[in-house]
Amino acid sequence: DQQVKQNSPSLSVQEGRISILNCDYTNSMFDYFLWYKKYPAEGPTFLISISSIKDKNEDGRFTVFLNKSAKHLSLHIVPSQPGDSAVYFCAASPYPNTGNQFYFGTGTSLTVIP
Amino acid sequence: NAGVTQTPKFRVLKTGQSMTLLCAQDMNHEYMYWYRQDPGMGLRLIHYSVGEGTTAKGEVPDGYNVSRLKKQNFLLGLESAAPSQTSVYFCASSYSWGNEQFFGPGTRLTVL
Repeated sequence: DQQVKQNSPSLSVQEGRISILNCDYTNSMFDYFLWYKKYPAEGPTFLISISSIKDKNEDGRFTVFLNKSAKHLSLHIVPSQPGDSAVYFCAASPYPNTGNQFYFGTGTSLTVIP
Repeated sequence: NAGVTQTPKFRVLKTGQSMTLLCAQDMNHEYMYWYRQDPGMGLRLIHYSVGEGTTAKGEVPDGYNVSRLKKQNFLLGLESAAPSQTSVYFCASSYSWGNEQFFGPGTRLTVL
C-alpha cells in the first residue's frame, strides 16, 4: 500500500510561472519530509526538506509547505525555469526511524515550457 | 569526490542467473541503501545498512541479499534472477539518521 502519493503524474508550466507539485501521505507517524529531483539517466538529488515542527521552508526559488492536519505537502517553484524540467519525488520518514528509511511517492514529471 | 557510484550501469540476465551489483561511496557515510524503481511505483527500499557489518530488510527484500563488509561498499545480490526483478536499481548513502540520502546514477537490469 502506497503510503506516500503523488496523484499528478505530470505537470506542464510556462517559463516564469509558478509550478506547484503536490504530495499526500497516510501515515501519521511521518515527521520529516523531503523533495528530490531526478533527471533522466541520473539518480535523484536532494532539493529541500521540512520537519513536522514547521509548516514552511524556503530555499531560493523553492518553497515546501506542510499541512499536517491534511497530511499534505506541496513544493512551489517560482519562477519556473526550463532547467527545472525533471521528475520530482516527495519522500517521508517516520519517527522513530533508526534506519533513516524514507518512503517515496511515485513522482511527478514537470515540464517547463520556454 | 565521486560521491556514490554503481557498477555496472546496465545488465541483461537470463532467468535463473545470478549477479552482484556494487555500490561504493567516498563520503564516509554510515548508512547505505538499495532501492528499486519501477513504473508507477516510485522508489522502494530493498535492504539497508546502518554501519559496516550490519544489514536490514526494507519494504521489498525477497529475492535479494546484501553485504556490507567495508564501510564504503554495499553489495546487492540476486541469487536466481526472475523477470519480476527487471527494474532500475539505485544505491544511496547518508551520514546518519535525519539526513538526506545521496543517490548513485542507477543500474538498469533486465531479466529475460
